[in-house]
Amino acid sequence: DQQVKQNSPSLSVQEGRISILNCDYTNSMFDYFLWYKKYPAEGPTFLISISSIKDKNEDGRFTVFLNKSAKHLSLHIVPSQPGDSAVYFCAASYWQGNLIFGKGTKLSVKP
Amino acid sequence: GAVVSQHPSWVICKSGTSVKIECRSLDFQATTMFWYRQFPKQSLMLMATSNEGSKATYEQGVEKDKFLINHASLTLSTLTVTSAHPEDSSFYICSARDLRDEQYFGPGTRLTVT
Repeated sequence: DQQVKQNSPSLSVQEGRISILNCDYTNSMFDYFLWYKKYPAEGPTFLISISSIKDKNEDGRFTVFLNKSAKHLSLHIVPSQPGDSAVYFCAASYWQGNLIFGKGTKLSVKP
Repeated sequence: GAVVSQHPSWVICKSGTSVKIECRSLDFQATTMFWYRQFPKQSLMLMATSNEGSKATYEQGVEKDKFLINHASLTLSTLTVTSAHPEDSSFYICSARDLRDEQYFGPGTRLTVT
């Protein structure tokens, strides 16, 4: 049973436009959510996070939105750049700090 | 879908002992597996990359004699923490890469060294 789901395996966006990556979760105990970015042959790097007490967190071009009632979060990248092309993993954690990852969404930003 | 399992999910051991953690790809062949350590605030550190049948490649600062990695088959990689110390207490996550270059994460193993 997958607790963190990223239903879109891939997404293609034009440079300068908005990229929206979605993530759904099933466990209401999760209280902290993170997005990681991963380039080929490298480990994932932390991008942005949000606590369950918030519904939005912004960092430069990256904004994460959390809808607790829908158990849904999304990552918005505006404007998208070719260097943003990577695989993006959504992850969630609860009190023990264990990270549960989604399967990732491959973002391609076309010039 | 592709599933990666880790065993055990939680282990407590005494200082000075060794602990082995298994990472298995359950329904696909993984030519490459990765081992990560999770640090406070949930940041992940890549420890090593293991390829089936060859020696693991360790990241800078990771002691290869302390963290022994064996990738004996296309579905199994093991991480052995030797002579464990309390500072080794952490959450260890593995991931496996399939033939299409998709990467799947395991559920993690929480190690507590007393």
